[in-house]
Amino acid sequence: GENVEQHPSTLSVQEGDSAVIKCTYSDSASNYFPWYKQELGKRPQLIIDIRSNVGEKKDQRIAVTLNKTAKHFSLHITETQPEDSAVYFCAASLNTNAGKSTFGDGTTLTVKP
Amino acid sequence: KAGVTQTPRYLIKTRGQQVTLSCSPISGHRSVSWYQQTPGQGLQFLFEYFSETQRNKGNFPGRFSGRQFSNSRSEMNVSTLELGDSALYLCASSLVPSDEQFFGPGTRLTVL
Repeated sequence: GENVEQHPSTLSVQEGDSAVIKCTYSDSASNYFPWYKQELGKRPQLIIDIRSNVGEKKDQRIAVTLNKTAKHFSLHITETQPEDSAVYFCAASLNTNAGKSTFGDGTTLTVKP
Repeated sequence: KAGVTQTPRYLIKTRGQQVTLSCSPISGHRSVSWYQQTPGQGLQFLFEYFSETQRNKGNFPGRFSGRQFSNSRSEMNVSTLELGDSALYLCASSLVPSDEQFFGPGTRLTVL
């Protein structure tokens, strides 16, 4: 089955700096890669996703890049703010089956004011 | 549009008992997935349902079961509870299986 590894497990940055979280996956058939943000005591929320027909997707301060050959994808957050502090999860699945996602172990991002 | 709801939000049970958790998807969503979230194991896939049919099942013992009703609401059942079943159980819904998922607030199960 699919295996997703996520690094780093914790990340601390200064407000205004950029943050990068990386994930690798094992199943070359996977072609849907969402990222979720989970604040303490709250539900995971989708912040951005990418499908394998594109290499990069951007939404304001957040971007995701995908390298299908190397089987890795990354989340980039620019101009970080304290409210970006949360746990971020990457996931991988088949395009037709987002409901059966394999998740990374999460990255705890702390943005210091 | 109301979000995904889960009941109950908190549950305390003892070993050996059984429990039923409920998930109501966003109106119009026909796909529901269940995940177990623990500090040590992260988010692990349990099952996926679409139009009352189980499409996929994760690597969990047979004590974990689920179903989906004609109105897309879903339940999961855990029998013969073990201490290791203590976790946050999250459900997520989507229009169809290929669409983005929206998570519910979860049910926090504690097994004593």
